Amino acid sequence: EDKVVQSPLSLVVHEGDTVTLNCSYEVTNFRSLLWYKQEKKAPTFLFMLTSSGIEKKSGRLSSILDKKELFSILNITATQTGDSAVYLCAVDPPGGGADGLTFGKGTHLIIQP
Amino acid sequence: NAGVTQTPKFQVLKTGQSMTLQCAQDMNHNSMYWYRQDPGMGLRLIYYSASEGTTDKGEVPNGYNVSRLNKREFSLRLESAAPSQTSVYFCASGDSRNSPLHFGNGTRLTVT
Repeated sequence: EDKVVQSPLSLVVHEGDTVTLNCSYEVTNFRSLLWYKQEKKAPTFLFMLTSSGIEKKSGRLSSILDKKELFSILNITATQTGDSAVYLCAVDPPGGGADGLTFGKGTHLIIQP
Repeated sequence: NAGVTQTPKFQVLKTGQSMTLQCAQDMNHNSMYWYRQDPGMGLRLIYYSASEGTTDKGEVPNGYNVSRLNKREFSLRLESAAPSQTSVYFCASGDSRNSPLHFGNGTRLTVT
């Protein structure tokens, strides 16, 4: 049973479109929710969200967390071909140790020129 | 500014062979992790080490062993490789619960 569910699993849009990627989770009382972008190699960090309702922004990307409804979204406006990647959502579960992140399966985003 | 370095980048093994994947980080992080990534499965935690001298099993530890050699290095060993271990392996490191994990570029392993 998946604890972190991302949707859609794949998405194809045209350059300039706005996209919304979804992440829902079953883990309660987690410390943080993170978004990563993965192109060919290592996942690279985008956002860490710890508080509900506070939007994080970086250029054309933004993300928000809803702890009550147990989901997060990642928005990308004015998409570019360089945004094509797999976007990973991960939750830092409760517990006292550094026991790793729980990842969703990712959304494969393709931006067509 | 190397970050997390993994070797090798690619490896092909025959069933039953053994090998060790190496990982080193230069960010003075306490915690290190090994994940595997398979198509349609996302990233799954194999083993982790919260600090030097400690290791713990993650979600999918069977068939693997790890060694936290020192604060910088965390290796993953396959004693008897199986085709089910064909995957991309990522090492990661982190410093605290309030900072993100940093990933290496991965090792693509094929077991025939």
